[in-house]
Amino acid sequence: AQSVTQPDIHITVSEGASLELRCNYSYGATPYLFWYVQSPGQGLQLLLKYFSGDTLVQGIKGFEAEFKRSQSSFNLRKPSVHWSDAAEYFCAVGTDSNYQLIWGAGTKLIIKP
Amino acid sequence: DGGITQSPKYLFRKEGQNVTLSCEQNLNHDAMYWYRQDPGQGLRLIYYSQIVNDFQKGDIAEGYSVSREKKESFPLTVTSAQKNPTAFYLCASSMGRGRDTQYFGPGTRLTVL
Repeated sequence: AQSVTQPDIHITVSEGASLELRCNYSYGATPYLFWYVQSPGQGLQLLLKYFSGDTLVQGIKGFEAEFKRSQSSFNLRKPSVHWSDAAEYFCAVGTDSNYQLIWGAGTKLIIKP
Repeated sequence: DGGITQSPKYLFRKEGQNVTLSCEQNLNHDAMYWYRQDPGQGLRLIYYSQIVNDFQKGDIAEGYSVSREKKESFPLTVTSAQKNPTAFYLCASSMGRGRDTQYFGPGTRLTVL
């Protein structure tokens, strides 16, 4: 069965520092990979997604993610975080055999001033 | 503007009462989804619908019911059989395939008094 693991429940980063949020998936074929962001009390917004082709994907708000098939990972990165990036981040996997997305448990990003 | 609306934003109910949460989309999407979100637990799928007049149970359907009489609308009823209904409820829609982005509404916070 497909699964998604976000190993970090919380991450604290200083404003201006770089960020990497981890996402590992379990799926036999090439999955469709998504990163979403959720501000407190809000819905989720898509940051970026990977289907095929270039393994480095650019998204909104200066985020990028790299698909590494050998490591079954799709880590989210940002070179310099801003206080407004404080939110919860979710990784999700989609497949051709399923209409659903499989969701990770989320990583809460805390920004230190 | 295209998007998903959920109403109301906050909802209070007494124990033993049924309550219906509204979800409307004008994105012309075939598929719609209901998720429940509790602190620290990510998103859990309640029900989803791929087409009008058809819907399937998700992982936590007990105590919930849905209908899909129109493409634009997918209301969720939280029944008195749901043992712990206090949560944040999110509605989403997509074109319906695993590769398709899910677009989310702003959510409804339900509190049982």
